[in-house]
Amino acid sequence: AQSVTQLDSQVPVFEEAPVELRCNYSSSVSVYLFWYVQYPNQGLQLLLKYLSGSTLVESINGFEAEFNKSQTSFHLRKPSVHISDTAEYFCAVTLRATNKLIFGTGTLLAVQP
Amino acid sequence: DADVTQTPRNRITKTGKRIMLECSQTKGHDRMYWYRQDPGLGLRLIYYSFDVKDINKGEISDGYSVSRQAQAKFSLSLESAIPNQTALYFCATSATGYTEAFFGQGTRLTVV
Repeated sequence: AQSVTQLDSQVPVFEEAPVELRCNYSSSVSVYLFWYVQYPNQGLQLLLKYLSGSTLVESINGFEAEFNKSQTSFHLRKPSVHISDTAEYFCAVTLRATNKLIFGTGTLLAVQP
Repeated sequence: DADVTQTPRNRITKTGKRIMLECSQTKGHDRMYWYRQDPGLGLRLIYYSFDVKDINKGEISDGYSVSRQAQAKFSLSLESAIPNQTALYFCATSATGYTEAFFGQGTRLTVV
């Protein structure tokens, strides 16, 4: 069965420090990979996605994620976080065969001054 | 106006009552989804639809039903609400499986 694992439910970090949010997926077939962000009291917004090609993808606000097929991972990183990055981050996959969009359990990024 | 509109935004209902959550979208997308969000469990897929005649169960469809009245409208019903259906419900839409999904603002449902 297709599943997405986000091992860290919360990640506290100080402002301007680097951060990595981990995501692993279980699938033996091709998938599309996504990171969504949810700010307090809002719906989800797409942060970045991997479809094919270069394994490193970037967002407009400094986040990046790297697709690692051998480790079935799609970890999200940012070299220097801001207070405004405080939000919940969801990793998601679409299995190409079924086209269902499945989410992980989310990681709350708490940036402290 | 929002691309994906959910109504109501908040609802408190009693155990055993029937309730409908509505979703409409102006994106022109064929695909629509219903998810519920619970703390620590992330978003879980309830139902999804790839067009008006194609409706599929997700991971947790028991206790729920859906209706795709038109390309733009996808309603979720709880036939007989129970307290463990208290959650935040999201509707989403996408053009394809590899393009961005657009989410509504959510409906906070409390079953007492």
